[in-house]
Amino acid sequence: NAGVTQTPKFRVLKTGQSMTLLCAQDMNHEYMYWYRQDPGMGLRLIHYSVGEGTTAKGEVPDGYNVSRLKKQNFLLGLESAAPSQTSVYFCASISDKREQFFGPGTRLTVL
Amino acid sequence: GEDVEQSLFLSVREGDSSVINCTYTDSSSTYLYWYKQEPGAGLQLLTYIFSNMDMKQDQRLTVLLNKKDKHLSLRIADTQTGDSAIYFCAESLMDSSYKLIFGSGTRLLVRP
Repeated sequence: NAGVTQTPKFRVLKTGQSMTLLCAQDMNHEYMYWYRQDPGMGLRLIHYSVGEGTTAKGEVPDGYNVSRLKKQNFLLGLESAAPSQTSVYFCASISDKREQFFGPGTRLTVL
Repeated sequence: GEDVEQSLFLSVREGDSSVINCTYTDSSSTYLYWYKQEPGAGLQLLTYIFSNMDMKQDQRLTVLLNKKDKHLSLRIADTQTGDSAIYFCAESLMDSSYKLIFGSGTRLLVRP
């Protein structure tokens, strides 16, 4: 099992550009999450999904959209990137035993 | 409201025990987690405890939960330099999302 994978690992955007971050998991988990991590802070939940075709807002959803067309994939989109979205983005999925596994992260810089 | 607090920094000598503390505010928390993050890496799940338990031990790790005081601690026995990292406490609330609320992390420095 590869676990939770994320692409890309690094990205630099200019203000106003768009991009999509891809998260994939091969553990057949229903629940998936997107978090962001800023310096000196814990992780904050952006959006989550409780199953294929479902999405819901987390704590800091503004400026982001998500889609869960396939159970194993959870996409995070930035339609018009802003410098405030410079962060490290982590995807996670949760098992039936409530173990939440994280991907390696995507480091995004918006200039 | 939901809030998880941790001290920012802990320094210990190699071979000593480390105790990292965490307090949470939501009494409906069902699971409480400890994650380890090394520089430039993702979060590694170390251990977690269900809220009806007081203690959980896993090799060098001991988790203590005081539900009355909403206090969680992680004890690392025989701390090694490889344990230097940021440790995050997180709570999972009793709702259908299973989302985690994280503390801001405790940086553990292990001195040789």
